[in-house]
Amino acid sequence: DTAVSQTPKYLVTQMGNDKSIKCEQNLGHDTMYWYKQDSKKFLKIMFSYNNKELIINETVPNRFSPKSPDKAHLNLHINSLELGDSAVYFCASSRGRAGGPSGTQYFGPGTRLLVL
Amino acid sequence: LAKTTQPISMDSYEGQEVNITCSHNNIATNDYITWYQQFPSQGPRFIIQGYKTKVTNEVASLFIPADRKSSTLSLPRVSLSDTAVYYCLVGAGSGNTGKLIFGQGTTLQVKP
Repeated sequence: DTAVSQTPKYLVTQMGNDKSIKCEQNLGHDTMYWYKQDSKKFLKIMFSYNNKELIINETVPNRFSPKSPDKAHLNLHINSLELGDSAVYFCASSRGRAGGPSGTQYFGPGTRLLVL
Repeated sequence: LAKTTQPISMDSYEGQEVNITCSHNNIATNDYITWYQQFPSQGPRFIIQGYKTKVTNEVASLFIPADRKSSTLSLPRVSLSDTAVYYCLVGAGSGNTGKLIFGQGTTLQVKP
């Protein structure tokens, strides 16, 4: 069974559209994350959710909104897509706080978003 | 914030030991140092984590000096399958307002 899954794997869309990426983890972890990886391979955290509360919110545009219906899911909704949003988006989860002793993160396979 | 710096790329040959160093001058007292490996078209995968001195597991060793301002990932006897990007992650602070900082990654190319 896949520990962290994301859908869709590929997403091609037009500028101005609204899209969502879904993430699910079956590890029973308390914290989930969204990362953006650009063409230069920089891996930047966007959001983190712990017990359904947002605990990290980097300086991302408010067009991006994380939604967590329950502890096992953290979806990413993007409004008014722009060309610069093209990237690979990774979901991850950890038992404890990332960067701490129980914070090993498990990543999903990524969603490759292309905005035309 | 605990900014991290890694070499952008490294080359090695099969069977050699590879050492990748990450600098994190502003590491906080509560921060651990974690290394991840990423293959093309996959998500990063955990390799090793440490707080101080030396940690060893079945795939790598992690050396952390007393001042904790840097860390070195050591891969013994690399093979072609170790060709990947390696990221250093430093947890940034305690509490819910911490920020996670990944290094820019080191692309390791292992040659036959």
